Amino acid sequence: GAVVSQHPSWVICKSGTSVKIECRSLDFQATTMFWYRQFPKQSLMLMATSNEGSKATYEQGVEKDKFLINHASLTLSTLTVTSAHPEDSSFYICSASDLRANTGELFFGEGSRLTVL
Amino acid sequence: DAKTTQPTSMDCAEGRAANLPCNHSTISGNEYVYWYRQIHSQGPQYIIHGLKNNETNEMASLIITEDRKSSTLILPHATLRDTAVYYCIVRPNNAGNMLTFGGGTRLMVKP
Repeated sequence: GAVVSQHPSWVICKSGTSVKIECRSLDFQATTMFWYRQFPKQSLMLMATSNEGSKATYEQGVEKDKFLINHASLTLSTLTVTSAHPEDSSFYICSASDLRANTGELFFGEGSRLTVL
Repeated sequence: DAKTTQPTSMDCAEGRAANLPCNHSTISGNEYVYWYRQIHSQGPQYIIHGLKNNETNEMASLIITEDRKSSTLILPHATLRDTAVYYCIVRPNNAGNMLTFGGGTRLMVKP
């Protein structure tokens, strides 16, 4: 199946700093990517939908100024957690689908674990 | 509102079949049943999906009832590596639609 890669797989940062997480579709093009967040022992929660060449759509309760999403190409979306605080510590996961294949299957990255000290 | 209902947890003996049920009584005519699993600290992994016919691939089989209100994912010979949270999700088969995850079933495969 198609491959979605995230980087970094884990990051530790100090409170108040910003962290960028990259999501790449390695062998297909994705006009839409989705960003999820998962806290310990909880399910994945959709944060935002990233659209290539346009503004992201954020779910209710997700601050767009805090979680900056850029989808500048058909194979790359980035999530920047600005002024991170300990409560932002979580597992961030992106997903994308192969529009040419149009199977409806969503492929997920390996996830990026953020720890804010 | 949850569109699917799954048991919170299940155990299965290694080598035996694991049968994971899912209720989706409000499924719409254009919605498919998708199954994903998430092994600890990894991203979700696609397993299988179907509309109304039973489906089988190298990982699992999907049995959908005739009225489409429920389905069962079958892992024919569970191994320890199949220990994971299994998510049953219904959604239209459109590449632009996201997946909404419920609580899933935590499957523990035991030796």
